[in-house]
Amino acid sequence: EPEVTQTPSHQVTQMGQEVILRCVPISNHLYFYWYRQILGQKVEFLVSFYNNEISEKSEIFDDQFSVERPDGSNFTLKIRSTKLEDSAMYFCASSDDLVGDEQYFGPGTRLTVT
Amino acid sequence: RKEVEQDPGPFNVPEGATVAFNCTYSNSASQSFFWYRQDCRKEPKLLMSVYSSGNEDGRFTAQLNRASQYISLLIRDSKLSDSATYLCVVNGNTGRRALTFGSGTRLQVQP
Repeated sequence: EPEVTQTPSHQVTQMGQEVILRCVPISNHLYFYWYRQILGQKVEFLVSFYNNEISEKSEIFDDQFSVERPDGSNFTLKIRSTKLEDSAMYFCASSDDLVGDEQYFGPGTRLTVT
Repeated sequence: RKEVEQDPGPFNVPEGATVAFNCTYSNSASQSFFWYRQDCRKEPKLLMSVYSSGNEDGRFTAQLNRASQYISLLIRDSKLSDSATYLCVVNGNTGRRALTFGSGTRLQVQP
């Protein structure tokens, strides 16, 4: 069964450093997403990406964040200058091109900012 | 009012029991509805989509009441492996894909 994969599984970084989280969405999917979950809190939407551009973003997704599809398989989330409050689990998800369709999540990257 | 509201639980039930979870959502323009399950420190896994006509998948039955903005999940014949947090999830307005998650209801099935 196809699945979303993410690397690394755990990233520790110092405040102010840049991090790049990587995802390989399901191969025939066209929509890609990033969500985050701060420990003990609910899952929150960050951004969606379609046809090489951002289609939606939340208030959390400010200028510190960017996304990219650098090649035909990878989808990345970059945080330019990490803050302590960026510590969270970051989930990548993908879906096909039907409105209201189902999103499938990767195993997540745990980001710890010290 | 929270966008998606769930009873946090925990629901402690014996194996074989039937348990029901409810959820309300605030955005009447929401188009799609889902139940996901999440195990501790793992990713949300899609359990089932929820349709207006109601739908069933094995031991799981989901119902949607658009007029009341209410979603339910029924689990019959609970198994130990059903222990998890169940997330009620809706998407936004027409054409929007961002999912809004509830905080989840924790289920603990006991032997």
